[in-house]
Amino acid sequence: ETGVTQTPRHLVMGMTNKKSLKCEQHLGHNAMYWYKQSAKKPLELMFVYSLEERVENNSVPSRFSPECPNSSHLFLHLHTLQPEDSALYLCASSQGVRVLGGTDTQYFGPGTRLTVL
Amino acid sequence: GESVGLHLPTLSVQEGDNSIINCAYSNSASDYFIWYKQESGKGPQFIIDIRSNMDKRQGQRVTVLLNKTVKHLSLQIAATQPGDSAVYFCAENRHQTGANNLFFGTGTRLTVIP
Repeated sequence: ETGVTQTPRHLVMGMTNKKSLKCEQHLGHNAMYWYKQSAKKPLELMFVYSLEERVENNSVPSRFSPECPNSSHLFLHLHTLQPEDSALYLCASSQGVRVLGGTDTQYFGPGTRLTVL
Repeated sequence: GESVGLHLPTLSVQEGDNSIINCAYSNSASDYFIWYKQESGKGPQFIIDIRSNMDKRQGQRVTVLLNKTVKHLSLQIAATQPGDSAVYFCAENRHQTGANNLFFGTGTRLTVIP
C-alpha cells in the first residue's frame, strides 16, 4: 500500500445528489492532489493543496468543490454532476517542498470509481 | 502544443523477455520525469524517476533512459514477469519549485504472455 487511502472505492449517484469523496494520507506529506482519470485520456490534474491552501485549480467546474481541513485529509464535494463526470478520481500526496533541482514524488491512492446516472 | 505522449498504446511481450516502453515529451523546460505503473483497480504506483541532469537511472529490474536532445524517455523492464502486466505512464514535472504539477501521457498497456 502507498499510505494514501480513499473512500468510498465505488460510488453511484444521480445528477441531483450531493456526495463527498475522502482521501487520507499517512505519509506526513504537506501537499495533496485530486486527479480525474477517464478512459483513454491522460490523467487530469484538478486541484492542488499545499499546506492546506489551494494552489492550483485547473478550470474545474464549480460542481466539484475541494476541501482540505488539514494536511492529512482531502475531500472532494460533488453536487449536481453530469454523466460525463463518471470517471476514476485519484488522490495523491507529496512532501510538497520542492527546491530547484530537487524532486517531489507523488504517491497515489487506489481511487474512487464514480458513476453518475 | 505541449504534450506528453506515448509511441504505442499497447505492448505484448513474452515472459522473460525485456520490455521497452517509450514516451515523448515536448516541453524542454521539464526537469523531472517519473514512470508510474497502474494495475487494474489500483492507483498509479511510482516505479522510478529521473532528473534532467541525468541520462540514465537504474532500479530493480527497471532502467529509465532520458534523451533530452530528442525529448524522449524510455522505461526498460528486464526479464518481464506476469506481474508486470499493467498500464505504464510517464509524467513530466514542469514546475521547478513549489507546487508539483505532473503532466501525464495516455499510458501504454503492457501484456506479458506466459
